[in-house]
Amino acid sequence: AQTVTQSQPEMSVQEAETVTLSCTYDTSESNYYLFWYKQPPSRQMILVIRQEAYKQQNATENRFSVNFQKAAKSFSLKISDSQLGDTAMYFCAFMKYRSGNTPLVFGKGTRLSVIA
Amino acid sequence: SQTIHQWPATLVQPVGSPLSLECTVEGTSNPNLYWYRQAAGRGLQLLFYSVGIGQISSEVPQNLSASRPQDRQFILSSKKLLLSDSGFYLCAWSVLGPESYGYTFGSGTRLTVV
Repeated sequence: AQTVTQSQPEMSVQEAETVTLSCTYDTSESNYYLFWYKQPPSRQMILVIRQEAYKQQNATENRFSVNFQKAAKSFSLKISDSQLGDTAMYFCAFMKYRSGNTPLVFGKGTRLSVIA
Repeated sequence: SQTIHQWPATLVQPVGSPLSLECTVEGTSNPNLYWYRQAAGRGLQLLFYSVGIGQISSEVPQNLSASRPQDRQFILSSKKLLLSDSGFYLCAWSVLGPESYGYTFGSGTRLTVV
């Protein structure tokens, strides 16, 4: 079974600075997807970024980028130029490639606070 | 475009009362549907998922049940609520295909059992 580990329960960053959230996972699959979701105080879950394991290029979405290290099974999220609106819980998640009916596996989350 | 509706947004129920939370999806056919629960400040616990009408998989034995009476409708129920059922309940959907874009989540229901 796949597992996802987020070792940082809480983090904080000054506004305009850069912060990196860690995520490691365990799987025997060779092809899969990885995701980062953001849950702001409103508690709406929002997809931040998606990475396909068969692509070596790291995904980027504006100020959000990932460092995907397949051999190390690591998938960290970097937030550049942090903004107050980035304050949220961040969840890392894993899905098998063409998984059929297998649900996403989520980590326990990292609470990020952006400080003015 | 696809949308997901979840209601009610907030609910306060006494212990021992029944529960019915509803989730509907628009703009897609044969979605996979999911119910998650989240305790305050905690992670997501998968409760049920469904890959088709009448097909329900339960992940955690508990006081809750789920049903899927229509293709795009997913209902979470309880006959008698417990204090431990309090939490934030999220519905989500996904579709199968050559690519996966993860889940799209509803806005959630905050349930307080008193």
